[in-house]
Amino acid sequence: AQSVAQPEDQVNVAEGNPLTVKCTYSVSGNPYLFWYVQYPNRGLQFLLKYITGDNLVKGSYGFEAEFNKSQTSFHLKKPSALVSDSALYFCAVRAGGRRALTFGSGTRLQVQP
Amino acid sequence: NAGVTQTPKFQVLKTGQSMTLQCAQDMNHNSMYWYRQDPGMGLRLIYYSASEGTTDKGEVPNGYNVSRLNKREFSLRLESAAPSQTSVYFCASSDGTQETQYFGPGTRLLVL
Repeated sequence: AQSVAQPEDQVNVAEGNPLTVKCTYSVSGNPYLFWYVQYPNRGLQFLLKYITGDNLVKGSYGFEAEFNKSQTSFHLKKPSALVSDSALYFCAVRAGGRRALTFGSGTRLQVQP
Repeated sequence: NAGVTQTPKFQVLKTGQSMTLQCAQDMNHNSMYWYRQDPGMGLRLIYYSASEGTTDKGEVPNGYNVSRLNKREFSLRLESAAPSQTSVYFCASSDGTQETQYFGPGTRLLVL
């Protein structure tokens, strides 16, 4: 079975400060890891993914994530938060042999001006 | 290029009524998915279709049926709606070589 944990329901950060949204996973075999963002009343938008290769992955809107195999983590980061980054963020995982994604419960990011 | 489209956007049903949620993608993707999103639970997979002509159960398939009508379209049917099926439903598609799933705007369903 595969699973994802997002330990924080909400993360609050001041505009201009760095942000981190945490994600840990459990999967058999090599993981494919994804981050998605959801704005109010919208579908999920793809941010970035790790399939293989460099552990630091860069994605849309200045976001990046670091794959850490020993800690089974894939934390989302951004050096300088914007108010417009406020949204719901989902981490997702799937094992290499499967197509279906398993999502975490989501973390609400609130960036204060 | 519209991506993934879903109809309707919003629906209210009475317990026991049936309805079909429609999904279409114009990206020539092989795989399509149906998820439901409930507060505090993330997205849970209902059914998916790895390719035209195949469908498989996901995590929460009970009370639902699906049809992969052709490569573009993947519908989700509720035969006898229950209040527990009140949720937001998302359709997604992916290309097996790229792996990324692309999502539609969602259907908000309320079952009274």
